[in-house]
Amino acid sequence: NAGVMQNPRHLVRRRGQEARLRCSPMKGHSHVYWYRQLPEEGLKFMVYLQKENIIDESGMPKERFSAEFPKEGPSILRIQQVVRGDSAAYFCASSPLMGAVESSGNTIYFGEGSWLTVV
Amino acid sequence: AQSVSQHNHHVILSEAASLELGCNYSYGGTVNLFWYVQYPGQHLQLLLKYFSGDPLVKGIKGFEAEFIKSKFSFNLRKPSVQWSDTAEYFCAVNSRAAGNKLTFGGGTRVLVKP
Repeated sequence: NAGVMQNPRHLVRRRGQEARLRCSPMKGHSHVYWYRQLPEEGLKFMVYLQKENIIDESGMPKERFSAEFPKEGPSILRIQQVVRGDSAAYFCASSPLMGAVESSGNTIYFGEGSWLTVV
Repeated sequence: AQSVSQHNHHVILSEAASLELGCNYSYGGTVNLFWYVQYPGQHLQLLLKYFSGDPLVKGIKGFEAEFIKSKFSFNLRKPSVQWSDTAEYFCAVNSRAAGNKLTFGGGTRVLVKP
């Protein structure tokens, strides 16, 4: 049973370009979360999505960032017109149930992350 | 809003030494507490979690954590570390009132010298 798959693992973009990060949740999981880890900082929540719906985007920057989780295919985190400050590790996680991220039967699983470097 | 603070950013110790990583959270309601570990180049793995019941929680790889509600703390411990415990450790909290988002501490990098 494959885990949460993220690609690309490493992405280099020039300032002003677009970055697209993809996340395929674990089989049977319909909820996806994106977190960002800036250098020397902890993970910060960005967005929580269910298939075709954004449940909570309170951690998303207001501009240039968007996320989707279509009915078919992976979840996409899109960053337009990247700047150096966007350089970070972006982690995706998935869970099978709505509601509590963690309960006795609803464990959240993390992907290996996508490292974005903006030059 | 809930927040999590981890006291140490970096810890260096020798094999067989005891490890204790501090974690404090700020939220007055019912919370769930977690410790995750991230080995170099790998994804986050759940070490242990607390929901209710016995405040002393046993996790994988010989780790344990104690929830002290009065101190808003959830410190992680291991009596005798190994070189393979070199990793970054994250404390996290979630609560239904905060929409069940996981809020992470800043992480503690642990280096175990052989």
